[in-house]
Amino acid sequence: AQKVTQAQTEISVVEKEDVTLDCVYETRDTTYYLFWYKQPPSGELVFLIRRNSFDEQNEISGRYSWNFQKSTSSFNFTITASQVVDSAVYFCALSEAQGGSSNTGKLIFGQGTTLQVKP
Amino acid sequence: DAGVIQSPRHEVTEMGQEVTLRCKPISGHDYLFWYRQTMMRGLELLIYFNNNVPIDDSGMPEDRFSAKMPNASFSTLKIQPSEPRDSAVYFCASSLAARNTGELFFGEGSRLTVL
Repeated sequence: AQKVTQAQTEISVVEKEDVTLDCVYETRDTTYYLFWYKQPPSGELVFLIRRNSFDEQNEISGRYSWNFQKSTSSFNFTITASQVVDSAVYFCALSEAQGGSSNTGKLIFGQGTTLQVKP
Repeated sequence: DAGVIQSPRHEVTEMGQEVTLRCKPISGHDYLFWYRQTMMRGLELLIYFNNNVPIDDSGMPEDRFSAKMPNASFSTLKIQPSEPRDSAVYFCASSLAARNTGELFFGEGSRLTVL
């Protein structure tokens, strides 16, 4: 069965601190995709990143970085030098490829981690 | 380009009333998803369509919920009769399989309160 676990319910940091959000997933498929979405206080869901199961390269985008490790089934997200605007709920999600390599976008979400960055 | 458009943004109704939520996906997208978000259960997939055809409705809570997609540019999620436990934010999302990214584009959500 597919499952995504975000063990951290809430994290509070002070501005400029680094923070890592954990994500552990379960799947029986060899081809799958992992995502992070951000939900700011306004409520919309914003796509941050996608990773496929064949690409374990870590990725950095500005202050954001992602660490994908298949050996531990983890896809952790680090924010460097956090800012107040980073305060949001962050969701990790899993999508399994269907029909071979086709990816429909059917996502299974973790419960989310609420990040509060204090000034 | 316009994103996914949902209406209404907020709905307050009384138990027993019929509720209809509407969604216009991004033009050209061939998948449409309805998700529900609650504090207790997080983000749950209710149903999704491919080319207007329902593919998986296993997440629909019960017979009170129904969803339709009469054409590529419109979908509805109906609750009849509504109950207080249906109070949640309902998100519609669309995607384009051909891009093979699995990225969902979400609407801003419809916040439903059933009194």
